[in-house]
Amino acid sequence: EPEVTQTPSHQVTQMGQEVILRCVPISNHLYFYWYRQILGQKVEFLVSFYNNEISEKSEIFDDQFSVERPDGSNFTLKIRSTKLEDSAMYFCASSVFRYSKEAFFGQGTRLTVV
Amino acid sequence: KNEVEQSPQNLTAQEGEFITINCSYSVGISALHWLQQHPGGGIVSLFMLSSGKKKHGRLIATINIQEKHSSLHITASHPRDSAVYICAVSQETSGSRLTFGEGTQLTVNP
Repeated sequence: EPEVTQTPSHQVTQMGQEVILRCVPISNHLYFYWYRQILGQKVEFLVSFYNNEISEKSEIFDDQFSVERPDGSNFTLKIRSTKLEDSAMYFCASSVFRYSKEAFFGQGTRLTVV
Repeated sequence: KNEVEQSPQNLTAQEGEFITINCSYSVGISALHWLQQHPGGGIVSLFMLSSGKKKHGRLIATINIQEKHSSLHITASHPRDSAVYICAVSQETSGSRLTFGEGTQLTVNP
């Protein structure tokens, strides 16, 4: 069964460092998403991406965040200068169409900023 | 006020019990999702509903659009059902971007 793949599963980084979280969405999907879940809190939307540009972003997604689809398969989330409060589980998701309603999630990357 | 509210927050049951988790929402939706999150953190989609009822094995999900309410039922619960169950909605204006509830931590004891 096709699945969304995220790497790494766990990343530890020092405050102020840049991190790149990687995702390989399902191959025929066109819409891509990043969500975040701080420990003990609910999952929050960060950004959606379609046709090589951001289609929607939340207030969390400030200038230190960026997304990119550098080739035909990967979808990345970059955090430019990490803060302690960026520690969270980051989920990538993809869907076939914007209004297909069903999104498929990766297993998540646990980011720990120390 | 959260756009998606779940109850209860925590639920402990004995193996074999019938379980119900509730979800209420305050926005217009195009679909409602029930998701399962295991201790390792990964999220798995269980159901996507826009009306009526769906069943998969021992899991049943229902939605009442007029009342803006959905329920997830687990029949003959088992310890392996222990997980966080999350209700999330696709809002009418936001495509498939999801808005999540806080989740319900279910523990099923043998």
